[in-house]
Amino acid sequence: SQELEQSPQSLIVQEGKNLTINCTSSKTLYGLYWYKQKYGEGLIFLMMLQKGGEEKSHEKITAKLDEKKQQSSLHITASQPSHAGIYLCGARDSGGYQKVTFGTGTKLQVIP
Amino acid sequence: SQTIHQWPATLVQPVGSPLSLECTVEGTSNPNLYWYRQAAGRGLQLLFYSVGIGQISSEVPQNLSASRPQDRQFILSSKKLLLSDSGFYLCAWTQGAYGYTFGSGTRLTVV
Repeated sequence: SQELEQSPQSLIVQEGKNLTINCTSSKTLYGLYWYKQKYGEGLIFLMMLQKGGEEKSHEKITAKLDEKKQQSSLHITASQPSHAGIYLCGARDSGGYQKVTFGTGTKLQVIP
Repeated sequence: SQTIHQWPATLVQPVGSPLSLECTVEGTSNPNLYWYRQAAGRGLQLLFYSVGIGQISSEVPQNLSASRPQDRQFILSSKKLLLSDSGFYLCAWTQGAYGYTFGSGTRLTVV
């Protein structure tokens, strides 16, 4: 079965600083999703990456997919307290049922 | 627009009691539906998924079962809860390779 390892597991940054979260898969990536979760709440979809080398941005968050390395990175520029939460990457498997395996998450705290 | 409803938001149940969590989707038809569990300190674990009415696939052998009595309704059940069933349960739906939309979750504490 596919495993996703996220690093770091937790991160504390000063407001205004940049940060990067990495997600590495044990198998080929057919689709990679990034979600954000606030404690005790559901997951909010951020971005989906499907092709090697693909890069997407939404506001101050940029995600990239390196298909050869089976890896994705999420970069936040000029972090704000609203960015705090748990970031999870998810990989879609190659079957036809759109099943997604998730990483264990990266907990981000942004200090004002 | 599509929305997903999940209830209850929180639940405290004694060991050995039954469980029923419900999830409904609005604004779409024939979605793929999923139940995930997020245990403390662990990632999201896929429990069940369904691609149609009455079609349930189980990912992990456990004390839980799922049913899909209607196209947009997905139910997670247990006849007798165990302490290890505690966790945050999330329902999700999708209709393609565009990622999931998640419900707001149910926090279950078995005491």
